[in-house]
Amino acid sequence: GESVGLHLPTLSVQEGDNSIINCAYSNSASDYFIWYKQESGKGPQFIIDIRSNMDKRQGQRVTVLLNKTVKHLSLQIAATQPGDSAVYFCAERGYGQNFVFGPGTRLSVLP
Amino acid sequence: GAVVSQHPSRVICKSGTSVKIECRSLDFQATTMFWYRQFPKQSLMLMATSNEGSKATYEQGVEKDKFLINHASLTLSTLTVTSAHPEDSSFYICSARDPMVWNQPQHFGDGTRLSIL
Repeated sequence: GESVGLHLPTLSVQEGDNSIINCAYSNSASDYFIWYKQESGKGPQFIIDIRSNMDKRQGQRVTVLLNKTVKHLSLQIAATQPGDSAVYFCAERGYGQNFVFGPGTRLSVLP
Repeated sequence: GAVVSQHPSRVICKSGTSVKIECRSLDFQATTMFWYRQFPKQSLMLMATSNEGSKATYEQGVEKDKFLINHASLTLSTLTVTSAHPEDSSFYICSARDPMVWNQPQHFGDGTRLSIL
């Protein structure tokens, strides 16, 4: 079902370090996955996506890894910057065209 | 640039007032839009799926008479919070996707912060 009322876990990293944010998804039939970034007071912004026929996709400073065996998705951010501080959500497309969102992870970048 | 526009970004009003929030798709026609509610430090909670030309589909526990949804055109869905009370204060976010493109993410509006006094 949809994410409801879960408090956000937090990941703190030093500026310049790499960040890894993890997400466990629920539906083994999900065929498309997305990572979103949500800054305070704004709507989620698309970061990167991956189809289920891939296990890795790279963008600018970001990499998404998909492990279908254990239903696990991760987002790697290289050389984390203060502007990366936000809440990150994974989303999976399961039945029909609806997306199901994960509980989110708050990333705090320490100076 | 933004592909989904949401308006207004912030509303402060008295208890008992009805508030309308608009969600527009800018670059595509959206037969389906989604309305979410988000409490502080929590995830997105899907409230309803707005379907152009037909009734919205509400998630369990969401009062359809409290949260009226109208999707009268392919680029506009509205959410009206009727007779709002302080417990309706929240961050409301809409999203839409282009139905003509299969592997495309949902695009989100920038949300509406609703504060009921």
